[in-house]
Amino acid sequence: AQSVSQHNHHVILSEAASLELGCNYSYGGTVNLFWYVQYPGQHLQLLLKYFSGDPLVKGIKGFEAEFIKSKFSFNLRKPSVQWSDTAEYFCAVINFGNEKLTFGTGTRLTIIP
Amino acid sequence: GAGVSQTPSNKVTEKGKYVELRCDPISGHTALYWYRQSLGQGPEFLIYFQGTGAADDSGLPNDRFFAVRPEGSVSTLKIQRTERGDSAVYLCASSWGGDTQYFGPGTRLTVL
Repeated sequence: AQSVSQHNHHVILSEAASLELGCNYSYGGTVNLFWYVQYPGQHLQLLLKYFSGDPLVKGIKGFEAEFIKSKFSFNLRKPSVQWSDTAEYFCAVINFGNEKLTFGTGTRLTIIP
Repeated sequence: GAGVSQTPSNKVTEKGKYVELRCDPISGHTALYWYRQSLGQGPEFLIYFQGTGAADDSGLPNDRFFAVRPEGSVSTLKIQRTERGDSAVYLCASSWGGDTQYFGPGTRLTVL
């Protein structure tokens, strides 16, 4: 069965700092990869996704993620964070041919103004 | 356009009672999913519908949980004989043809 690990449970950064959130998955077959974000009081929203092609994926609000197949990783990055990026971030994976998302436990990001 | 909607937003019930949670997917989306999110965890898959039929119900924890989607649009998640361990946020998502899943705001269920 697929599993997803997000090693950073709570990250605290100052505004303008660079961000990298880790995500690793276990199943080595073909996968589709996602990052979802949940802002305070709001529902889960898609940040970016990877299905195929260029392993460097750009999403909304300046976020990007890189799929490294050999490392089973899909880390999320942003060069300069803003206070409004304060949220919970979830990495999720779908095994090809399947429909169910497997989520990590999430990383809470707090940005200090 | 309108997103996924879920009702009620909050439900408090007593142990042993029956509850129904409703999900209205995005118009035209053929696939509908239910997930459950416990405190401090990511969402966990429960069941997935393609049209009216349950294509994968492998995530339902036991036979107290049941879901229907009789006309291929609105879905209802039904929980019988609720237990305190059922307390969680129940999330619904929909998609077009297996593409990106769009989530609703969830129903927070509290079993006393």
